[in-house]
Amino acid sequence: GAVVSQHPSRVICKSGTSVKIECRSLDFQATTMFWYRQFPKKSLMLMATSNEGSKATYEQGVEKDKFLINHASLTLSTLTVTSAHPEDSSFYICSARDAQGATEAFFGQGTRLTVV
Amino acid sequence: DAKTTQPPSMDCAEGRAANLPCNHSTISGNEYVYWYRQIHSQGPQYIIHGLKNNETNEMASLIITEDRKSSTLILPHATLRDTAVYYCIVSVYGGSQGNLIFGKGTKLSVKP
Repeated sequence: GAVVSQHPSRVICKSGTSVKIECRSLDFQATTMFWYRQFPKKSLMLMATSNEGSKATYEQGVEKDKFLINHASLTLSTLTVTSAHPEDSSFYICSARDAQGATEAFFGQGTRLTVV
Repeated sequence: DAKTTQPPSMDCAEGRAANLPCNHSTISGNEYVYWYRQIHSQGPQYIIHGLKNNETNEMASLIITEDRKSSTLILPHATLRDTAVYYCIVSVYGGSQGNLIFGKGTKLSVKP
């Protein structure tokens, strides 16, 4: 299947700092990417839908000023967690769909964020 | 909220078929049934999807009832590496509307 790559896979940062997570579609172009968050022993929760060249759509309860999303090209979306706090520690996962046609979504390997 | 209902856990003996059920009684006519699985601390892996007809690929088979209100994912010969949480999701096909809403899934344990 298609490959979606996330970077970094793990990151530890200090409270108050910002962290950027990258999501790349390696062998296809994605007009739409999705960002999820997963807490321990919980299911994935959709945070936002990232559309290439336009503003992201955030789910209810997700602060758009805290979780900045940029989808500047058809192969890259970034999620920046601003002014991170320990409660932002989580597993962040992106997914992407091929722009060439309606297909299944493929997921990145996830980023484990720990805020200390 | 997720539109599907799955048993929280199931066990399966290695080498036997694993049959994972899913109820989606409120599925709409334009919604597909998707199955993904998540091995611990990894991103979800696509398995299979279908609309009305049964589907089969190298990983699994998907059996959808005629009224489309339920489906079953079949792993024909389960191995220890198939131990994972399996998610059944209904969603429209593609585009920005095609986001996937995850429920709690079924934790499948394949035992030797």
